[in-house]
Amino acid sequence: QKEVEQNSGPLSVPEGAIASLNCTYSDRGSQSFFWYRQYSGKSPELIMSIYSNGDKEDGRFTAQLNKASQYVSLLIRDSQPSDSATYLCAVRNSGAGSYQLTFGKGTKLSVIP
Amino acid sequence: DTGVSQDPRHKITKRGQNVTFRCDPISEHNRLYWYRQTLGQGPEFLTYFQNEAQLEKSRLLSDRFSAERPKGSFSTLEIQRTEQGDSAMYLCASSLMPTDAQYFGPGTRLTVT
Repeated sequence: QKEVEQNSGPLSVPEGAIASLNCTYSDRGSQSFFWYRQYSGKSPELIMSIYSNGDKEDGRFTAQLNKASQYVSLLIRDSQPSDSATYLCAVRNSGAGSYQLTFGKGTKLSVIP
Repeated sequence: DTGVSQDPRHKITKRGQNVTFRCDPISEHNRLYWYRQTLGQGPEFLTYFQNEAQLEKSRLLSDRFSAERPKGSFSTLEIQRTEQGDSAMYLCASSLMPTDAQYFGPGTRLTVT
């Protein structure tokens, strides 16, 4: 059973601070990793994808991947109240021809004005 | 470029009834996925199509569930003899080969009474 673990939170940060969201996964062969943002009552929205070890930056978002430690993180710089949402970590299964994503339960982020 | 669309957005049905949901992927996206999400959980994979071929199915997809994508464009998900445990948000996503980033539609919220 492939698993993706996230701290459920809530994680509260003041406006303008850096929010750090973490995720660990069990499927050692996984090669594709994604972060989604989900507002209450809405569907997941893709924020970042990352495939190689290291950092990948996109605007205020930085994804970090360490395959040896089976660890993925998302940093949100200059957090805004509009960033308040649940952040889902997703990992693509490593089985041949599989495009199935396994999701964590999500971390709820609250940015306090 | 319109996003993934799903119809209906909400469905209330009585236990034992059959329901069918429709998903229209992003234009030219050749992979289409179905997920189910319950409150407080991340989306759970149900099945995926590459063009019209159903290539992967989860064990969650019991024999009461069937999905089709007859011409490689839109897809339908049918649930027969609905049960209260089927109450969930049913999410459709699509992606364009060769990338594996999946983009979600707004979802269909099913309530079985």
